[in-house]
Amino acid sequence: QQQVKQSPQSLIVQKGGISIINCAYENTAFDYFPWYQQFPGKGPALLIAIRPDVSEKKEGRFTISFNKSAKQFSLHIMDSQPGDSATYFCAASTLNYGGSQGNLIFGKGTKLSVKP
Amino acid sequence: ETGVTQTPRHLVMGMTNKKSLKCEQHLGHNAMYWYKQSAKKPLELMFVYSLEERVENNSVPSRFSPECPNSSHLFLHLHTLQPEDSALYLCASSQDAHGSYEQYFGPGTRLTVT
Repeated sequence: QQQVKQSPQSLIVQKGGISIINCAYENTAFDYFPWYQQFPGKGPALLIAIRPDVSEKKEGRFTISFNKSAKQFSLHIMDSQPGDSATYFCAASTLNYGGSQGNLIFGKGTKLSVKP
Repeated sequence: ETGVTQTPRHLVMGMTNKKSLKCEQHLGHNAMYWYKQSAKKPLELMFVYSLEERVENNSVPSRFSPECPNSSHLFLHLHTLQPEDSALYLCASSQDAHGSYEQYFGPGTRLTVT
């Protein structure tokens, strides 16, 4: 119930292509879905986040698509660049305070390599 | 830099040693976290502190002992660790102890238990 399942585990994309990473969840109480980006030797950093009152959020080349009925959300990176090569983590939490429900639950991560 | 620093960056210790990891945040946040990051596994939340009080302890073995002397500093004291404890230990902070607030991560301490 508390898991967030992320796929694929690794992804290789050509420069200029579209990178797509998918996540699925079971807990319908989740209502906050961030994506974190991690470069080697660094900690994760927030990239973009969405709440389920919208189906899509775009920030520059990064877009989150959210499908509430399917309990799935995905990250799309348009015009992928070698500098986007990193590990991407999806996560989920609830907006309700109280106990562990407010904690972030992370997916296993996707290692993206963008080839020049 | 994120405003969260961790020392040391690398640590090798034997199973009988005692060591401590240190985290400091310069962001004025009220919450601090310890996570364990292992290869091909989700980030595992270990401890959460809010205003220097522990609010979450996710069934972490007692060989890991956290300490939060003030809202800017967080320690993880280690003793009699096992080889499976080898991992990247990440510290994070946020404005408040809730997942909807952006968490700022430090670079981590790469721990190897021999």
